[in-house]
Amino acid sequence: GDSVTQMEGPVTLSEEAFLTINCTYTATGYPSLFWYVQYPGEGLQLLLKATKADDKGSNKGFEATYRKETTSFHLEKGSVQVSDSAVYFCALKNFNKFYFGSGTKLNVKP
Amino acid sequence: DVKVTQSSRYLVKRTGEKVFLECVQDMDHENMFWYRQDPGLGLRLIYFSYDVKMKGKGDIPEGYSVSREKKERFSLILESASTNQTSMYLCASSLRGIMNYGYTFGSGTRLTVV
Repeated sequence: GDSVTQMEGPVTLSEEAFLTINCTYTATGYPSLFWYVQYPGEGLQLLLKATKADDKGSNKGFEATYRKETTSFHLEKGSVQVSDSAVYFCALKNFNKFYFGSGTKLNVKP
Repeated sequence: DVKVTQSSRYLVKRTGEKVFLECVQDMDHENMFWYRQDPGLGLRLIYFSYDVKMKGKGDIPEGYSVSREKKERFSLILESASTNQTSMYLCASSLRGIMNYGYTFGSGTRLTVV
């Protein structure tokens, strides 16, 4: 069945460092791909999305490219801030059903 | 913006109590979902609903039931709360049939069963 695998955390970075959180997926058909972010004590918020191969989603300096050949949707940011500390979830949507990764906690130190 | 409102942010209940978690969305979404989130286990789907009075079991429905009498409201019911139901509960909604439309989540209810 469909599934999402993302790198385990926590990931700890210094402010202004480059961020990559890996995400790969398994799916039939043509899923849409998403990244959600969860700040402490909050629900999940949509960060970015991509709906077809080679699409790039971007928001708040984060970006991810839908790579069908490698079934990946890695999240990147060129310079992280302390305020980016959160849990990040990769997800896919296929046939009206969502599949979430297990989440990756990011800690950014000043 | 779509808003999904969960009635309580924090809740403490006793073992054996019947617990109601309420979720309301204001954008006429057909689909609504209840998840629980636990450390190391990610998000697990409890129940979903694609229409009024329609419900479907997710991955972990045991010990829970749901009610959807109106399109905007989706209630999660713990028939007899147990300590292993202590968790963060997240409600979400989405439009039906649109592949690139994501979920909108509520802020979550952190339930503690003592």
